[in-house]
Amino acid sequence: DIVMTQSPDSLAVSLGERATINCKSSQSLLYSSNKKNYLSWYQQKPGQPPKLLIYWASTRDSGVPDRFSGSGSGTDFTLTINSLQAEDVAVYYCQQYYNTPNTFGQGTKVEIK
Amino acid sequence: EVQLLESGGGLRQPGGSLRLSCAASGFTFSNYAMSWVRQAPGRGLEWVSSITDSGAATYYADSVKGRFTISRDNSRNTLYLQMSTLRAEDTAEYYCAKDHRGNYVPGYFDYWGQGTLVTVSS
Repeated sequence: DIVMTQSPDSLAVSLGERATINCKSSQSLLYSSNKKNYLSWYQQKPGQPPKLLIYWASTRDSGVPDRFSGSGSGTDFTLTINSLQAEDVAVYYCQQYYNTPNTFGQGTKVEIK
Repeated sequence: EVQLLESGGGLRQPGGSLRLSCAASGFTFSNYAMSWVRQAPGRGLEWVSSITDSGAATYYADSVKGRFTISRDNSRNTLYLQMSTLRAEDTAEYYCAKDHRGNYVPGYFDYWGQGTLVTVSS
């Protein structure tokens, strides 16, 4: 199974500042035939189901604010939240869909400093 | 608007059985793979099982293989998870999730239901 490791486990960021979450996979998520990284990011607010933010490592889902961006390739990926807003307080998960079983990172909790 | 509505959760004793349902609307259900993902209290997300659009192929996490069965009824736009030989560690919120594609898994999950809580305890 592909192991997904996020860092840090939690972080506190001031309103308007940048939050950076890292996700590392135990093997490459880059599929050579289509040059796509099989990596997605989800946001889960308290008491709510997860919500898709990013897929193919860097494509924002419809309606996701552009302060959210994804980057990286191969085994190292980053979710960046520019200009953190109060409504961004949540746990963020990365997920690989390169092969079965789908595996998620352990989650990163983002709070306001 | 895509909607996924889970039902069937509840309290069961260890060794018991339960069937979860997920009623889908707002999209062509028969065109998409579907999955179950669970979240134990205070813990992270764990993929449980997936089924392709036609139901021809199913996939399971090792932790539930041989105990859980995923199925779908495309005429009723409904996904199911039959859970048997339940264990305390199966206690979790169970989410139904729509895959972004149909006949191949895994994929990313573009819509999630609100979840249904399964508690396994004596």
